[in-house]
Amino acid sequence: EPEVTQTPSHQVTQMGQEVILRCVPISNHLYFYWYRQILGQKVEFLVSFYNNEISEKSEIFDDQFSVERPDGSNFTLKIRSTKLEDSAMYFCASSEVPGGELFFGEGSRLTVL
Amino acid sequence: AQSVTQPDIHITVSEGASLELRCNYSYGATPYLFWYVQSPGQGLQLLLKYFSGDTLVQGIKGFEAEFKRSQSSFNLRKPSVHWSDAAEYFCAVNTNNDMRFGAGTRLTVKP
Repeated sequence: EPEVTQTPSHQVTQMGQEVILRCVPISNHLYFYWYRQILGQKVEFLVSFYNNEISEKSEIFDDQFSVERPDGSNFTLKIRSTKLEDSAMYFCASSEVPGGELFFGEGSRLTVL
Repeated sequence: AQSVTQPDIHITVSEGASLELRCNYSYGATPYLFWYVQSPGQGLQLLLKYFSGDTLVQGIKGFEAEFKRSQSSFNLRKPSVHWSDAAEYFCAVNTNNDMRFGAGTRLTVKP
């Protein structure tokens, strides 16, 4: 069964460092998303992406964040200068149609020290 | 903007007992509705979804949910809970390609 894959599964970084989280969405999906879940809290929407541009973004997704689809398969989330409060599980998701079911990856746990 | 409310932060039920997890949404039209489950340290797995049609939808693992337009609710139910159902459950609403999650309900199952 096709699935969304994310790498790395866990990354530890120093505050102020740049981090790139990678995702390979399901191959025939056109809509891509990043969500964040701080430990013990709700799943929060960060950004949606379609046709090589951001469709929507939340107030969390500030200038420190960026997304890119550098090739036909990868979808990345970059955090330019990490802060302690960026420590969270980051989930990538993709969907075939807008408003449809989102398929989630297993998540990338980011720990900022 | 749409919002999703899960009034119960934590629910404890005995194994074999029935379960109902509440979800209310706020949106002008009927959104697409979902329930996801998250086991500790895991990703989000879809249990079931409602797009249109029959308001009672069946999902995996014996779960079902009923959409009630008049109450703006989409409650999740299971007639007999198993110990393996212990997890975090998230209700979600998708409108205009923007899926938002409730705060989640943590389910504990007593032996």
